[in-house]
Amino acid sequence: DAGVTQSPTHLIKTRGQQVTLRCSPKSGHDTVSWYQQALGQGPQFIFQYYEEEERQRGNFPDRFSGHQFPNYSSELNVNALLLGDSALYLCASTFRAGELFFGEGSRLTVL
Amino acid sequence: QKEVEQDPGPLSVPEGAIVSLNCTYSNSAFQYFMWYRQYSRKGPELLMYTYSSGNKEDGRFTAQVDKSSKYISLFIRDSQPSDSATYLCSRGANNLFFGTGTRLTVIP
Repeated sequence: DAGVTQSPTHLIKTRGQQVTLRCSPKSGHDTVSWYQQALGQGPQFIFQYYEEEERQRGNFPDRFSGHQFPNYSSELNVNALLLGDSALYLCASTFRAGELFFGEGSRLTVL
Repeated sequence: QKEVEQDPGPLSVPEGAIVSLNCTYSNSAFQYFMWYRQYSRKGPELLMYTYSSGNKEDGRFTAQVDKSSKYISLFIRDSQPSDSATYLCSRGANNLFFGTGTRLTVIP
């Protein structure tokens, strides 16, 4: 049983560019959350998707947007990248309010 | 004030030592508290969770919540080199608030 898978694992962008990160949830899970983890910090909640809608959102600007597809997979989009967006982006999935399972993350470097 | 504050460490202990990791939280309405372990270059994995107050034990690990002082603790007995990781405390159900993490190194 595959766990949460994320792609790409690493990527490098320049300021002002846009990035799309992808996540496939664990089999049987219907809810996907995204977190940003800066170096030396704990993960920070970006938003959560359920039934293809954004259900909750953390304190992140509108440059961060997402989408959930009918197969429960999800994308995180970040526009107008800033140096401060460099971080590990973690996707986590769950079934309803059960245990969160995290992927290994996508490491974004903004130059 | 942050939702969850955690001793940043880093913490280095010899193999076999008892490790104490601590966090405080601000909102007394919190009920679920969790400890996650994150190995280098990996995503966090749930280690233990507790609901409300009290202790919960799982093998060498004990999670403790003291609601009167808003204190969360994780104790690791007989620590092993394989316990070397970053430990994150968190609260919440759907959207988790994490502490900054404590990096633990267990020296053989």
